Amino acid sequence: AQSVAQPEDQVNVAEGNPLTVKCTYSVSGNPYLFWYVQYPNRGLQFLLKYITGDNLVKGSYGFEAEFNKSQTSFHLKKPSALVSDSALYFCAVRDMGGGADGLTFGKGTHLIIQP
Amino acid sequence: DVKVTQSSRYLVKRTGEKVFLECVQDMDHENMFWYRQDPGLGLRLIYFSYDVKMKEKGDIPEGYSVSREKKERFSLILESASTNQTSMYLCASTRFGGTSETQYFGPGTRLLVL
Repeated sequence: AQSVAQPEDQVNVAEGNPLTVKCTYSVSGNPYLFWYVQYPNRGLQFLLKYITGDNLVKGSYGFEAEFNKSQTSFHLKKPSALVSDSALYFCAVRDMGGGADGLTFGKGTHLIIQP
Repeated sequence: DVKVTQSSRYLVKRTGEKVFLECVQDMDHENMFWYRQDPGLGLRLIYFSYDVKMKEKGDIPEGYSVSREKKERFSLILESASTNQTSMYLCASTRFGGTSETQYFGPGTRLLVL
């Protein structure tokens, strides 16, 4: 079975400061890892994913995430937060050896950027 | 750009009604998915389909069924709606290319069952 943990329900950051949204995962094999963002009353938008290769993945809107196999983590980061980054963020995982079934999502983290 | 559309943004239904949620994607994707999203629970997979007329149960299929008669369309059916099915429903699609493929989501349908 695969699972994802997002330990923080909410993260508050001042505009211009760096931000981190945490994610840890558990899979039986090797993981594919994803980050999605959801703005109010909207569907999920894809930000970035890790498949293989470089542990630092760059994505949309200046976000990046670092895959750490030893810590089974895939934290989302951005060097300088914008108020418009305020949204709900989801980490998701799929086992590389899995079939065509869906992603397993974390419970989500509300990111609040204060002006 | 991939486009996934859902037939309604908001729905209000009564307990016991049969409810149809429609999802259409325009990128010729093989795989389609239905999730429900609840606060504090994240997204949970209800059903998915990897081909026309094929369906597989996800983590929480009870009380739901699905239909995929055409490749671009995937319908979620609540046979007899109940108040505990009040939720946000999200449809997604992806190419058949293995487990690394990105899922693309529709805007969601917020269903209220009274």
